[in-house]
Amino acid sequence: DAGITQSPRHKVTETGTPVTLRCHQTENHRYMYWYRQDPGHGLRLIHYSYGVKDTDKGEVSDGYSVSRSKTEDFLLTLESATSSQTSVYFCAISRGRQETQYFGPGTRLLVL
Amino acid sequence: QKEVEQNSGPLSVPEGAIASLNCTYSDRGSQSFFWYRQYSGKSPELIMSIYSNGDKEDGRFTAQLNKASQYVSLLIRDSQPSDSATYLCAVNDFNKFYFGSGTKLNVKP
Repeated sequence: DAGITQSPRHKVTETGTPVTLRCHQTENHRYMYWYRQDPGHGLRLIHYSYGVKDTDKGEVSDGYSVSRSKTEDFLLTLESATSSQTSVYFCAISRGRQETQYFGPGTRLLVL
Repeated sequence: QKEVEQNSGPLSVPEGAIASLNCTYSDRGSQSFFWYRQYSGKSPELIMSIYSNGDKEDGRFTAQLNKASQYVSLLIRDSQPSDSATYLCAVNDFNKFYFGSGTKLNVKP
């Protein structure tokens, strides 16, 4: 394993509530990513970070925000959860921008 | 919109056969290419990376890249039931990875 943990691993929440997912790494990698995975869509990038306080949007960033105040932690926040955000969320890390990404175990989120 | 296309499958092969998985991508500027394996309910794990045209072999796995045709493939020799999984193709363009939706492989004993 690449030293990546995600919390919580499972969460059930209600529409309209805020939700924060945490990704923690012990590898001191510069790049961190949040993806969502849905049937038929593969992995889609939500946001990524290329350093502390340096973040950028991915292809499905609407409704999500991120923060990275420390190298080891990357937080994904759903400001007001909707049923369309029910998904499996994966965090990934990489040493460099074109280098291999290693994935965390995932968080299953159900928005009722 | 950058696209990575894979046949969703399922691809069924008998144990011991060669499994051939294919992927095409739309962006000619893509720099690096990856194959991941994902078991049901688990996270993707890296099998192979390839950066230049040609073949790259690692054990039973061979990745093939043809940038002119925008095509990358993965061959699995002597397929085993434990190879049954979904295989994701990923293409890197600058800071971002783009993933195909995956090909499900079934290896029948």
